[in-house]
Amino acid sequence: EVQLVESGGGLIQPGGSLRLSCAASGFTATRNYMTWVRLAPGRGLEWVASLYVDDTSYYTASVKGRFTISRDTAKNTVYLQMNSLRLEDTALYYCARELDGSLIDWGQGTLVTVAS
Amino acid sequence: EIVMTQSPATLSVSPGERATLSCRASETVSANLAWYQQRPGQAPRLLIYGASTRATGIPARFSGSGSATEFTLTISSLQSEDFAVYYCQQYDNWPEYTFGQGTKLEIK
Repeated sequence: EVQLVESGGGLIQPGGSLRLSCAASGFTATRNYMTWVRLAPGRGLEWVASLYVDDTSYYTASVKGRFTISRDTAKNTVYLQMNSLRLEDTALYYCARELDGSLIDWGQGTLVTVAS
Repeated sequence: EIVMTQSPATLSVSPGERATLSCRASETVSANLAWYQQRPGQAPRLLIYGASTRATGIPARFSGSGSATEFTLTISSLQSEDFAVYYCQQYDNWPEYTFGQGTKLEIK
């Protein structure tokens, strides 16, 4: 059974950093496209970043240069390092497995709150 | 950026009736369109991909149609568990995927 479990969210001040983790089971994360999506209050779902099997990464414009997506093969875990956090980064962050563009499996999400 | 616009924002329908949700793209996305369901407190779940193909395990009462810029999700006979928020997503502009703002389907 495929499972994705996110962790690492919390309350952080503007300008701070957090690292989100997404532990995968039931499949090999390195052989799949992995994506982070966030759900912000009143703003709907937003694609944040994707990591492909060749280790190429892509980011939405608002996080480029601040966020980094990566993975640990041995731990079958995907990460989202978030630096220089802003108020508008407050959201529920989901990890998802992607197949041909659609997001076929999702975790339950981890909440990031940026506030002073 | 391809903007996805869903309508209506909220749809009130009685159980057993049909619900029709719309999604419009600001430019053509071919059939590279997915629909997701999100129940309260749960993660989104893939319903439809390729505009009209049901994902694994999705009941036949869910159907998708459309192409280019106009898409529709139809739920033929609403069950209690179908009342949720629905999102469309385009993946034609790979990898810059965009979602609609969602349609909340509520019990009338």
